[in-house]
Amino acid sequence: DGGITQSPKYLFRKEGQNVTLSCEQNLNHDAMYWYRQDPGQGLRLIYYSQIVNDFQKGDIAEGYSVSREKKESFPLTVTSAQKNPTAFYLCASSISSSAAENQPQHFGDGTRLSIL
Amino acid sequence: QQPVQSPQAVILREGEDAVINCSSSKALYSVHWYRQKHGEAPVFLMILLKGGEQKGHEKISASFNEKKQQSSLYLTASQLSYSGTYFCGTRGDSSASKIIFGSGTRLSIRP
Repeated sequence: DGGITQSPKYLFRKEGQNVTLSCEQNLNHDAMYWYRQDPGQGLRLIYYSQIVNDFQKGDIAEGYSVSREKKESFPLTVTSAQKNPTAFYLCASSISSSAAENQPQHFGDGTRLSIL
Repeated sequence: QQPVQSPQAVILREGEDAVINCSSSKALYSVHWYRQKHGEAPVFLMILLKGGEQKGHEKISASFNEKKQQSSLYLTASQLSYSGTYFCGTRGDSSASKIIFGSGTRLSIRP
């Protein structure tokens, strides 16, 4: 079955530490996205990538970094510059990011990040 | 600009109907609806394009009023499985490569 796999499911970060969240998809989708979700709130876009080797900042990119070296992988690094990283992180993908094609986004099961 | 969803939360008895609204201060090109159960991934429900279309998905349907810049999600004869948080996501125009999500509406269904 095709889908999006996020790992780990739970992650703990120490002060001053960088951590990387994994996101892998086997749907052959071009576009991938990272969202942050805080309790009782909606999804806020961190970064997105429309194609391999290209990515753009979303609405809350500060303190985060990404790479897109392979079509199926879009890891997110939460750096020490992100002072309030505790949240639920969701990765998503879609066939295309083009509004004209209007494709839905498919989400992974998320990673819950907490500070130690 | 983030769309505004209303109500923020609603509690229903099984079999009752509900309407969830999603409004934008800007013109909309399309509206996406998702449902998320606690601690799980959001699941896609439907996409509506400008033009005032209405779509249906079993007992869940939605409308898109382009002039009012809003969309409404209708849940009829609600089932326990409908519980969760419903999010709308909007695109402002055909060149928009990202979706902006509302803060969600929490729906609780009681037997």
